[in-house]
Amino acid sequence: EVQLVESGGGLVQPGGSLRLSCVASEFTFSSYWMSWVRQAPGKGLEWVAKIKQDGSEKYYVDSVKGRFTISRDNAKNSLYLQMNSLRAEDTAVYYCTRNIFFDYWGQGTLVTVSS
Amino acid sequence: QSALTQPASVSGSPGQSITFSCTGTSSDVGGYNDVSWYQQHAGKAPKLIIYDVSNRPSGVSNRFSASKSGNTASLTISGLQAEDEADYYCSSYTSSSTRVFGRGTKLTVL
Repeated sequence: EVQLVESGGGLVQPGGSLRLSCVASEFTFSSYWMSWVRQAPGKGLEWVAKIKQDGSEKYYVDSVKGRFTISRDNAKNSLYLQMNSLRAEDTAVYYCTRNIFFDYWGQGTLVTVSS
Repeated sequence: QSALTQPASVSGSPGQSITFSCTGTSSDVGGYNDVSWYQQHAGKAPKLIIYDVSNRPSGVSNRFSASKSGNTASLTISGLQAEDEADYYCSSYTSSSTRVFGRGTKLTVL
């Protein structure tokens, strides 16, 4: 069964940095676009970023451009999200998702930005 | 990158059919056959229930169906069941090669 396991969330001060990881298993990771989707507490889903199979194309929602970087390591079946200059409004559960239409989701990792 | 428009809430009785709407623009919903729908139960990760406008993934009940007309996509649940009570989100590909979600609709089964 496809598995996506996120890690790296936690409490960080405004302006700080955090790196999220997602380890994938039971499918050919290198064959799929991958995305990060977030959900602020009590709010709806927001697509954050996506990366092509070979990492050659990356796209971001406007609110994180220049602050967040998505990357992947196909040899390690891993997806990453480097988050810099974090703001209170970045507080959310961050989900790792597979494919362009998010057919599988991880359990999520909570990022809290607060002083 | 404005969120797609979904009603905040809908309700229905067991056995009824209910339809959710998801309205975008010609730069997203109306421009591509790439609309998907997700079901999210409280405290759980979302689950894909429809992709490419009207396709159901394996294992998803055929009580879920969907379509699109112009800039509006629709999801219908027939034979409403108590277990269908959840939040429902639509998502679309956009002309900027990004993706956008709707704000979600809370379904209450009376």
